Amino acid sequence: QKEVEQDPGPLSVPEGAIVSLNCTYSNSAFQYFMWYRQYSRKGPELLMYTYSSGNKEDGRFTAQVDKSSKYISLFIRDSQPSDSATYLCAMGISTDSWGKFQFGAGTQVVVTP
Amino acid sequence: GAVVSQHPSWVICKSGTSVKIECRSLDFQATTMFWYRQFPKQSLMLMATSNEGSKATYEQGVEKDKFLINHASLTLSTLTVTSAHPEDSSFYICSARGTETQYFGPGTRLLVL
Repeated sequence: QKEVEQDPGPLSVPEGAIVSLNCTYSNSAFQYFMWYRQYSRKGPELLMYTYSSGNKEDGRFTAQVDKSSKYISLFIRDSQPSDSATYLCAMGISTDSWGKFQFGAGTQVVVTP
Repeated sequence: GAVVSQHPSWVICKSGTSVKIECRSLDFQATTMFWYRQFPKQSLMLMATSNEGSKATYEQGVEKDKFLINHASLTLSTLTVTSAHPEDSSFYICSARGTETQYFGPGTRLLVL
């Protein structure tokens, strides 16, 4: 069983809709949670970074962490065609091991005009 | 945000040849860099951790004699794929550790014929 599970999609939504993404994990030691956006043939770009349970908002993006359920979510409001990309979740135990964070397989999102 | 570059962005080579990929942190010094491999529709898999001035640390199952890593300065790490074979064809991404996160390069697509 993978430590991090993420539905690969694709997830297709109309422009302006809310995109809802999630990941589940099995390792209760994970403390740091991140969401990355990756455009085709490009490296991942950090979108959100959270440490504790609860919500964190940044513009159109909201990240949620529920440690009791081992479940994290990313919501994108007022989605735009430029949001079409693959979204990767990542999580780790400590900031001493940034590179060893476990990544989900990524969810492909398509926002149609 | 911090910028990490990779060169080349893509390379095609014949089986049996060696290929060198450079990873540079452009506006910050990175004592630690990471090398990942990503197959289509799959997650990033950490190959090795590159530490400036010391030997790289390889993940289990990664052949250190095949994937040579050199981190000669605080802004440059190189990955050399020696005697490349078609199964080495993949998307190679480096990242550099910053103060609060890691910053990814744009990736290098390698195709071995």
